[in-house]
Amino acid sequence: LAKTTQPISMDSYEGQEVNITCSHNNIATNDYITWYQQFPSQGPRFIIQGYKTKVTNEVASLFIPADRKSSTLSLPRVSLSDTAVYYCLVGDTGGGNKLTFGTGTQLKVEL
Amino acid sequence: DGGITQSPKYLFRKEGQNVTLSCEQNLNHDAMYWYRQDPGQGLRLIYYSQIVNDFQKGDIAEGYSVSREKKESFPLTVTSAQKNPTAFYLCASMGGIHEQYFGPGTRLTVT
Repeated sequence: LAKTTQPISMDSYEGQEVNITCSHNNIATNDYITWYQQFPSQGPRFIIQGYKTKVTNEVASLFIPADRKSSTLSLPRVSLSDTAVYYCLVGDTGGGNKLTFGTGTQLKVEL
Repeated sequence: DGGITQSPKYLFRKEGQNVTLSCEQNLNHDAMYWYRQDPGQGLRLIYYSQIVNDFQKGDIAEGYSVSREKKESFPLTVTSAQKNPTAFYLCASMGGIHEQYFGPGTRLTVT
């Protein structure tokens, strides 16, 4: 099981770019990296997923270096509504589809 | 309208009583999951099922039980053996590679 490490919290201001880095030193060859966003009292929502290099969608970008031991979620021009907890997940290589969430990063965006 | 439904949204029970939380999905996903979330904490995996009539324990299965008799349904029973059952419970199903879809959650309070 590839364990992930993220900062506990981050602060930003509206209009800024926010980069949240996740470390996953034990990532396996077949593992994908997935990021989720969670608002209070709601279930997490899928944001983006990648295997290597860079992935971009309408919400965020995901940067993965060649060694894949870390990944960075980039949120361009954040707004107050981006205040949430962000989770980085790496697929379990122990067989099957067991997915374990870490403690996540609490992002707070202010005016 | 596809998605995952959990009911009820809020549930109150007396200590010593078993209680069953409902989770239904119409996304035609094989894999389903139950997580528990305590205030200010991340999600912890209780049970997961990759296919009908099969399920595996997650990281905190003690005091919980599940069944998977139908593809669409994955109910969770919180038994009286669970020492600290008050929490926010989230059900999810998985489509694609590790892309989980979450329900709105059930907040269980046991007094």
